[in-house]
Amino acid sequence: AQKVTQAQTEISVVEKEDVTLDCVYETRDTTYYLFWYKQPPSGELVFLIRRNSFDEQNEISGRYSWNFQKSTSSFNFTITASQVVDSAVYFCALSEASSGNTPLVFGKGTRLSVIA
Amino acid sequence: EPEVTQTPSHQVTQMGQEVILRCVPISNHLYFYWYRQILGQKVEFLVSFYNNEISEKSEIFDDQFSVERPDGSNFTLKIRSTKLEDSAMYFCANRQGLNQPQHFGDGTRLSIL
Repeated sequence: AQKVTQAQTEISVVEKEDVTLDCVYETRDTTYYLFWYKQPPSGELVFLIRRNSFDEQNEISGRYSWNFQKSTSSFNFTITASQVVDSAVYFCALSEASSGNTPLVFGKGTRLSVIA
Repeated sequence: EPEVTQTPSHQVTQMGQEVILRCVPISNHLYFYWYRQILGQKVEFLVSFYNNEISEKSEIFDDQFSVERPDGSNFTLKIRSTKLEDSAMYFCANRQGLNQPQHFGDGTRLSIL
């Protein structure tokens, strides 16, 4: 069965600090996708990144970076030099790919508060 | 960038009433999904839809729920007889292909009184 665990329920940092959001997943599939979504206070879900299980290269996009490690089944998300606008709930999600039109399984989310 | 559009943004309904949530997906995106998020909780899968039929549904998606594409473009979620516990944010999502990310609408906040 698929499962995504985000152990950090809430994190508070001061602006300009770096912060890492943890994500650990479980799946029996060898082919799967991992995602991060941002949910700002306005409520919408904003797609940030998708990673497939065969690509363990870390990715950087501006102040955001992602560390995918299959050995520990983790897909952690780091925000460098955090800003107040980064305050949101961040969801990690998993989708198994080998059985067709499978849905996303979300973690419970981490609420990030960045204080000015 | 093309968007998934959901209407209404907020729906208030009396318990026991029927409600229809609407979604206009991105053109040529073939896979459709409904998710819900009870306030303060995680996003949960309800149902997936492809080629005019349900691909998969969760245990939440019981006989009170139904989905359809009435005119080939809109994608609707109907709750036949709403209960208090149906109060949640409902998200529509769709994607172009199986190896593409899902794009979400802004959600409909459903409040059952």
